[in-house]
Amino acid sequence: ELKVEQNPLFLSMQEGKNYTIYCNYSTTSDRLYWYRQDPGKSLESLFVLLSNGAVKQEGRLMASLDTKARLSTLHITAAVHDLSATYFCAVDPLSSGQNFVFGPGTRLSVLP
Amino acid sequence: DVKVTQSSRYLVKRTGEKVFLECVQDMDHENMFWYRQDPGLGLRLIYFSYDVKMKEKGDIPEGYSVSREKKERFSLILESASTNQTSMYLCASSVSGGPNYEQYFGPGTRLTVT
Repeated sequence: ELKVEQNPLFLSMQEGKNYTIYCNYSTTSDRLYWYRQDPGKSLESLFVLLSNGAVKQEGRLMASLDTKARLSTLHITAAVHDLSATYFCAVDPLSSGQNFVFGPGTRLSVLP
Repeated sequence: DVKVTQSSRYLVKRTGEKVFLECVQDMDHENMFWYRQDPGLGLRLIYFSYDVKMKEKGDIPEGYSVSREKKERFSLILESASTNQTSMYLCASSVSGGPNYEQYFGPGTRLTVT
């Protein structure tokens, strides 16, 4: 059974600091997706990583994928309060688009 | 932009009622999904559909059924609602074929069963 783990599950950080969220998965997959969810809202797509070594950046967030290590990272640079949300990674092990497995989510709080 | 809409943002129903949750997408996507999200349990797939009238069970199909009569519409049905079905329900859609199977989510329906 595919397992997707995220570390940490809860993260409280000061504004201006850097931090990394890790997403590990237990079977081969060359597709990984990051989503953001604000409280009471739905999931919003952040990044689509489609190959080993893929790196995507948007503002203060940068995501990367290492398929050999079965690891994706979401790096936060100089955090601001607006980044407070829950971040999910999702793996598509069959590359079919029909069997996403989501991680448990990392709840991020950025404190002023 | 892809748009996925859900019929209700909030819904309150009584135990034993039949409940319909509807989802509509406007991007001609082949795949559509229903998830439920509960604190501490993450997102769990209830059912998905890869074509009109086609459906596949997800991880937690018990107590639910689905209907897809038109490509753009995917309905989740709770035949006899129970309190343990109180949850946030999320619909999603994605294209079939090509390298990017990104799922696009609707705004969610928060269902309370009393």
